Amino acid sequence: DIQVTQSPSFLSASVGDRVTITCRASQDITNFLAWYQQKPGKAPKLLIYGASTLQSGVPSRFSGSGSGTVFTLTISSLQPEDFAVYYCQQLNGYPLFTFGPGTKVDIK
Amino acid sequence: QITLKESGPTLVKPTQTLTLTCTFSGFSLTYSGVGVGWIRQPPGKGLEYLAYIYGNDDKRYSPSLQSRLTINRDISKNQVVLTLTNTDPVDTATYYCAHSVFKSGWHFDYWGQGTPVTVSA
Repeated sequence: DIQVTQSPSFLSASVGDRVTITCRASQDITNFLAWYQQKPGKAPKLLIYGASTLQSGVPSRFSGSGSGTVFTLTISSLQPEDFAVYYCQQLNGYPLFTFGPGTKVDIK
Repeated sequence: QITLKESGPTLVKPTQTLTLTCTFSGFSLTYSGVGVGWIRQPPGKGLEYLAYIYGNDDKRYSPSLQSRLTINRDISKNQVVLTLTNTDPVDTATYYCAHSVFKSGWHFDYWGQGTPVTVSA
């Protein structure tokens, strides 16, 4: 089974900061990775798919990179509405889907 | 416009079977390039993939729950139904259904609002 880890699990940042979250898969998943944002009481929202393709309507301050086993989500300038939990998801292997444990981005 | 909405009981007793329905609109679950998945989230915890059904009726399950899960579709009603047998308090969670179409992977681009389920005697 493919395992997915994220780091850090928690980060505290200020508005305007550049934030980077890392996701690691236990096997090569090429670029079959997605990133989601979840706010309290809400369903997750797709931000990025194919490791680096921005979902329609998502602000350009979000970007994704990586391939193989290591991926990153970057927020270039953190905005108040970006404080949330972020999940990565692998989409290429057995089981069909695996979510990372999440990274909570909190206000410093 | 694609929408999905989950429905089902909010409370089930341990050992009972949980049946959840996802009613969707804005797409057809009749070709292989489309799918619907079920994901759950225990209170205060992360997301867990449960099951997935493709438009060609192919099905996939989480290995850890495969023996207890069944996913089916009702094309005439635009519904996907998930059943979870022999429930336990650890199955307490918000259950989401979500749509995907293959585009660099089967990521979930549209989600339902989620339905909370408590398993308790």
